[in-house]
Amino acid sequence: DQQVKQNSPSLSVQEGRISILNCDYTNSMFDYFLWYKKYPAEGPTFLISISSIKDKNEDGRFTVFLNKSAKHLSLHIVPSQPGDSAVYFCAASRNQAGTALIFGKGTTLSVSS
Amino acid sequence: DAGVIQSPRHEVTEMGQEVTLRCKPISGHDYLFWYRQTMMRGLELLIYFNNNVPIDDSGMPEDRFSAKMPNASFSTLKIQPSEPRDSAVYFCASILDRGVTGELFFGEGSRLTVL
Repeated sequence: DQQVKQNSPSLSVQEGRISILNCDYTNSMFDYFLWYKKYPAEGPTFLISISSIKDKNEDGRFTVFLNKSAKHLSLHIVPSQPGDSAVYFCAASRNQAGTALIFGKGTTLSVSS
Repeated sequence: DAGVIQSPRHEVTEMGQEVTLRCKPISGHDYLFWYRQTMMRGLELLIYFNNNVPIDDSGMPEDRFSAKMPNASFSTLKIQPSEPRDSAVYFCASILDRGVTGELFFGEGSRLTVL
């Protein structure tokens, strides 16, 4: 019973277009959400986060949207670049001490030039 | 600044052997996490420590798995005896307090292959 679900294992996008990665969660106690990026043979690295008190957070080409009623979040990358090709993990937690991040299975993004 | 350091990077062993994975967290970080990555289950939390004390080990799959953190700068994850289904990439991560961001700093992982 996955609490954080990334239903698309892979996504292919052309350079310059928008990439949209989706994530659903089931635990209504989650109030903090993060996206991590992972290149082969490296550990995941933090990309962007959003608190449940917001519905949007933007950082350069990356924007995360949160729809609490639908328990859904998405990561938008505009414009997509070949260097964005990686595995993207969605993660969620209760934003309080003593809790851990719960990750989805990941979505592999391929950006072609 | 040194990041989270894991060793070995790669380990190939035979079924039934003992495996020990090691982690050095970022200095000053008070939380340490062990995650396992597989194709089927993605990144799953195994166990985490706060100030060297195990907080939640409910993700540890079986009694064959054990983890220790004898001091603030070192942790081990041991599998004994190992089985082929334990083959995965094991990540260690650390953080200074849960704070606001919840951003974990991951090591590069230890890729375990059990034959």
